[in-house]
Amino acid sequence: AQSVTQPDIHITVSEGASLELRCNYSYGATPYLFWYVQSPGQGLQLLLKYFSGDTLVQGIKGFEAEFKRSQSSFNLRKPSVHWSDAAEYFCAVGLSASNYQLIWGAGTKLIIKP
Amino acid sequence: KAGVTQTPRYLIKTRGQQVTLSCSPISGHRSVSWYQQTPGQGLQFLFEYFSETQRNKGNFPGRFSGRQFSNSRSEMNVSTLELGDSALYLCASSFSQGGETQYFGPGTRLLVL
Repeated sequence: AQSVTQPDIHITVSEGASLELRCNYSYGATPYLFWYVQSPGQGLQLLLKYFSGDTLVQGIKGFEAEFKRSQSSFNLRKPSVHWSDAAEYFCAVGLSASNYQLIWGAGTKLIIKP
Repeated sequence: KAGVTQTPRYLIKTRGQQVTLSCSPISGHRSVSWYQQTPGQGLQFLFEYFSETQRNKGNFPGRFSGRQFSNSRSEMNVSTLELGDSALYLCASSFSQGGETQYFGPGTRLLVL
């Protein structure tokens, strides 16, 4: 069965430090890959997505992610975090162009130390 | 363009009641998906509608149902509410195809007492 794993439930980083959030998926074909962010009491906002092509994807708010087929990973990175980045981050997999269901990771809560 | 809107934002019901939640997609979007988010189960796909037809369905009991109208607005209904139905219900819209970006509304927080 398809699954998405975000191994870190919480991550704490200092403001200005670099960030990497891990995401691994289990799926037979090349999936559509997404990272979303959710601030407290808010809906989900798309940070970036990978459908095909260049495996390094740039997103909003200075985030990027790299698709590594050999490792079934799609890790999210940011070179320097800001206090406003504190939120919960979700990795999701879309199965195909004909199936709109998204499979979600459990989320990683990012805490920023001043 | 206005974003995805969901009404109501907050709702309190008691066990056994039924509830209807509404979602208005972004103008021009024809696909609407519904998700349930709980601390224990995370985000789970409920169903997806396109042009008034349910295209995909998640693994939820028949108490959970939905529909889509000709203007792409969608409603989901939960009958015979249980305590475990307390959750944030998120609606997402996209233009058409599966795999495209889904844009999420702020959600409806349902509390079942």
